[in-house]
Amino acid sequence: GESVGLHLPTLSVQEGDNSIINCAYSNSASDYFIWYKQESGKGPQFIIDIRSNMDKRQGQRVTVLLNKTVKHLSLQIAATQPGDSAVYFCAENAKEYGNKLVFGAGTILRVKS
Amino acid sequence: NAGVTQTPKFRVLKTGQSMTLLCAQDMNHEYMYWYRQDPGMGLRLIHYSVGEGTTAKGEVPDGYNVSRLKKQNFLLGLESAAPSQTSVYFCASSYNRGPGNTEAFFGQGTRLTVV
Repeated sequence: GESVGLHLPTLSVQEGDNSIINCAYSNSASDYFIWYKQESGKGPQFIIDIRSNMDKRQGQRVTVLLNKTVKHLSLQIAATQPGDSAVYFCAENAKEYGNKLVFGAGTILRVKS
Repeated sequence: NAGVTQTPKFRVLKTGQSMTLLCAQDMNHEYMYWYRQDPGMGLRLIHYSVGEGTTAKGEVPDGYNVSRLKKQNFLLGLESAAPSQTSVYFCASSYNRGPGNTEAFFGQGTRLTVV
């Protein structure tokens, strides 16, 4: 079915440390994955995406890893800053479902100064 | 460049009342979506549209109707509001760039309370 879940509902990290947010997905037909960041009172904002023909993609301070064998997605944030505190969602997209995005429940990232 | 704009931002309704949420995008996107977000849950798709004049049901369509009369606007209607529809509603839009490439841009959300 179309379901995306997250392992950890809340993650607390010290400022300057690296953060790793995990996501499990169940639809093996999903071919595109996105990480979104949602700050309090705002709509989700795109962070980084990855297609199913890749296993790693890097952005500015963020890296997304995709392991299709175990249907696992992770978001790594380097040198976490207080401004990174937010809820992070992974989303999957499958052509067979009309290219709709299906979101996971979200992980709260808290950065301690 | 406004992106995706939702109106209103806040609304309180009495049970049984009706209302329409408006979403407007100025990016010439083909796809538009309405999601609801509840505490501890991800965004759940209510309805979506793949182009002007088209609509389709998402995961949780019951109690809602939508219309896409113009490409830039996507309306979400509640005919008879129920307390279970208390939620934050997000509109989003995206290009249809081809297989597996549907980054969505979101509005700021509408907080709806049904009493």
